[in-house]
Amino acid sequence: EIVLTQSPGTLSLSPGERATLSCRASQSVSSSSLAWYQQKPGQAPRLLIYGASSRATGIPDRFSGSGSGTDFTLTISRLEPEDFAVYYCQQYGSSHTFGQGTKLEIK
Amino acid sequence: EVQLVESGGGLVQPGGSLRLSCEASGFTFSSYSMNWVRQAPGKGLEWVSYISSTSSTIYYADSVKGRFTISRDNAKSSLYLQMNSLRAEDTAVYYCARSRAFDIWGQGTMVTVSS
Repeated sequence: EIVLTQSPGTLSLSPGERATLSCRASQSVSSSSLAWYQQKPGQAPRLLIYGASSRATGIPDRFSGSGSGTDFTLTISRLEPEDFAVYYCQQYGSSHTFGQGTKLEIK
Repeated sequence: EVQLVESGGGLVQPGGSLRLSCEASGFTFSSYSMNWVRQAPGKGLEWVSYISSTSSTIYYADSVKGRFTISRDNAKSSLYLQMNSLRAEDTAVYYCARSRAFDIWGQGTMVTVSS
């Protein structure tokens, strides 16, 4: 089973700042089958990025994904108030596993 | 509108059974693989099970293998999860989600396993 480790566990930033979230896999993720999700309290998760770097439909271009192999990054270029939430990475190249999540909170 | 709506959650005693349903609308259900994902209270996301568009390929998480059964009825645009031998640790919100990268999610249905 591929284990995904997200860092940091909590990220405290202010609106307008840049956020960089990391996701490291225990083994190589095939075909860049890596996705990122955003979840707000009481809501279902929302797909942001798939294939490591492709934005899902309707996702603002301030969200970008990068990486390959075992190291992946989600970057939010300029934080908006609505971006403060929990973010999960997920690999779907070998079965499915999620990272433990990064909470992005307002500083 | 593309939509997934789960139902069937509730309170069940340990060792009991429950069947969850997920009804799809707004897209060609038979063309997509589907998944069940769960989230225990205050915890992260856990993938539970996958079924291909034709039901030819099915996978389960180790934590539910042998107890849960995923199925689908493409004629009814519906996905199911039969859950047997339920344990306290199965308590969670259960979501259905479309495709390999989960691009559409339902709103979730709560399953509570408690005596």
